[in-house]
Amino acid sequence: GEDVEQSLFLSVREGDSSVINCTYTDSSSTYLYWYKQEPGAGLQLLTYIFSNMDMKQDQRLTVLLNKKDKHLSLRIADTQTGDSAIYFCAETLMTTDSWGKLQFGAGTQVVVTP
Amino acid sequence: DAGVIQSPRHEVTEMGQEVTLRCKPISGHDYLFWYRQTMMRGLELLIYFNNNVPIDDSGMPEDRFSAKMPNASFSTLKIQPSEPRDSAVYFCASSQARIGDYGYTFGSGTRLTVV
Repeated sequence: GEDVEQSLFLSVREGDSSVINCTYTDSSSTYLYWYKQEPGAGLQLLTYIFSNMDMKQDQRLTVLLNKKDKHLSLRIADTQTGDSAIYFCAETLMTTDSWGKLQFGAGTQVVVTP
Repeated sequence: DAGVIQSPRHEVTEMGQEVTLRCKPISGHDYLFWYRQTMMRGLELLIYFNNNVPIDDSGMPEDRFSAKMPNASFSTLKIQPSEPRDSAVYFCASSQARIGDYGYTFGSGTRLTVV
């Protein structure tokens, strides 16, 4: 995941908004994903955005995509203690026409404090 | 579908022993991936298969690691002999040919401890 960069840690108070940032490398990436990993569990797909969009909203989640800067962000509104987890950004590497290999970032540990 | 199923969930073994991790992908998924997760190195792709054929094993650490996919519904990752530095969480994931809206689906992982 060295080519996808994320900050390693974010602390946020319950009720505030969280913003997790990611920079990616492949300008031809078609899909960009956010995964959530809770303690002791696997990675769960949280949301995604298609490259022809610059914003996607899904309930408390807002994804912003800046293709020029290759910057992706995930905003969590009204952050709850259940949002404490590691969040991974992933880009599709379009090595062939038929599928895309995912490149993951190192993950951002989000800690929500009361 | 029950999702990607991995077994065992936890494995504790002594150094030098053989360890076999198992994975059942989602039916209809053409791709299967093995990842390793550690605090130091994060998520590492070890190997992936397309239609049961290994495509890229460049992430396999060394010859002690081997992976097979004898059919579309089963894969194994074997470590022989195991070493303490192999201790990690090993994830299996599967995907459709066009990952699109669904990305990869991950299993719950196998936590391996080699003592």
